[in-house]
Amino acid sequence: QSALTQPPSASGSPGQSVTISCTGTSSDVGGYNYVSWYQQHPGKAPKLMIYDVSRRPSGVPDRFSGSKSGNTASLTVSGLQAEDEADYYCNSYAGSRLVFGGGTKLTVL
Amino acid sequence: EVQLVESGGGLVQPGGSLRLSCAASGFMFNDWHMDWVRQAPGKGLEWVSYISSRSEAIYYADSVKGRFSVSRDNAKNSLYLQMNSLRDEDTAVYYCARDSGLGYSIDYWGQGTLVTVSS
Repeated sequence: QSALTQPPSASGSPGQSVTISCTGTSSDVGGYNYVSWYQQHPGKAPKLMIYDVSRRPSGVPDRFSGSKSGNTASLTVSGLQAEDEADYYCNSYAGSRLVFGGGTKLTVL
Repeated sequence: EVQLVESGGGLVQPGGSLRLSCAASGFMFNDWHMDWVRQAPGKGLEWVSYISSRSEAIYYADSVKGRFSVSRDNAKNSLYLQMNSLRDEDTAVYYCARDSGLGYSIDYWGQGTLVTVSS
């Protein structure tokens, strides 16, 4: 069970947009529209930001958006704010199991 | 308010056993599927196990299959993870988590309990 592939780091200045990729295979990301994204601040539990590739739970700002093309999903954070600095993890259903990405540390410059 | 409170973590020697518990409150526990997810120190998240609301379906990550066993007691609003034959690489914070019912995502997480496997 290989983890999904995410870049270890990403960065942007306040107000800018940044996109984080999440690459899997046809057995996970490419095979199902069940990609979710989580935000984790240091020492805190993860928070659900996106589910079903592009849907936002209530309370999540519309600055956060998700998409998918083939075996790669993406999370875009628009209008970056200081509080967006955190680790971000993608996750995909893979048939009777879930698989996470290795995580991306987003730095707001 | 949804609350998930894990307990049972601690220091254990390689080859040993430990049982984690998760006390749920603030929602109808028997209506929700649950997961265990772990995070090694300084590392990323790793899904460990899933159990459906009435325990009909149970799944494990390959890394723990045959060694870990998940169960739940809906009458006690509790989730459990029995961990046997523990290895150094099982050292992690273990989170109890609730399936959101929105696709295969997780909407609530506990604060986690640290399991350290070391001699």
